[in-house]
Amino acid sequence: AQSVTQPDIHITVSEGASLELRCNYSYGATPYLFWYVQSPGQGLQLLLKYFSGDTLVQGIKGFEAEFKRSQSSFNLRKPSVHWSDAAEYFCAVVPSTTSGTYKYIFGTGTRLKVLA
Amino acid sequence: DAGVTQSPTHLIKTRGQQVTLRCSPKSGHDTVSWYQQALGQGPQFIFQYYEEEERQRGNFPDRFSGHQFPNYSSELNVNALLLGDSALYLCASSLDRTHGYTFGSGTRLTVV
Repeated sequence: AQSVTQPDIHITVSEGASLELRCNYSYGATPYLFWYVQSPGQGLQLLLKYFSGDTLVQGIKGFEAEFKRSQSSFNLRKPSVHWSDAAEYFCAVVPSTTSGTYKYIFGTGTRLKVLA
Repeated sequence: DAGVTQSPTHLIKTRGQQVTLRCSPKSGHDTVSWYQQALGQGPQFIFQYYEEEERQRGNFPDRFSGHQFPNYSSELNVNALLLGDSALYLCASSLDRTHGYTFGSGTRLTVV
């Protein structure tokens, strides 16, 4: 069955430090991959996406992610975290087949806390 | 350009009652998906509507039903509410699978 694993439930970093959030997926073929961020009580905002080409993708708010096929991973990174980055982050996958309907499968999320 | 609009933002219902949640997709989007997000969990797929038909469904009982209207807006109905139905219900619209969802801010449903 398709699945997404975010092994870190909580991560705490100091403001200005670098950040890496892990995401592993289980799927027969390379899916389309997404990272979303959710502030408390809000919906989800798309940070970045990957579906082909360069395996390092840039997103909004200074985030980037790297797709590694051999590791079935799509880790999210940021060189210097800001206090406003404190939120919950979700990795999601969707089948890359071109026909039919599609559903996104989300991981359980990683809650990021930023220390001043 | 308005994004995805959901109403109401909060709702309190009694166990056994029925509820209807509403969603207006982002302009130009024709596909609407509904997700349930329990506290501390990732969103769980309920179903997806396209061309006014339910095209795919997640592992939710028949108490959960929906509808899509010709203007692409959608409703989620839940009958015979259980305490466990308390969650944030998210509506997401999309144009196709490559562009990602645009999410609404959700409806917080509390069943007491």
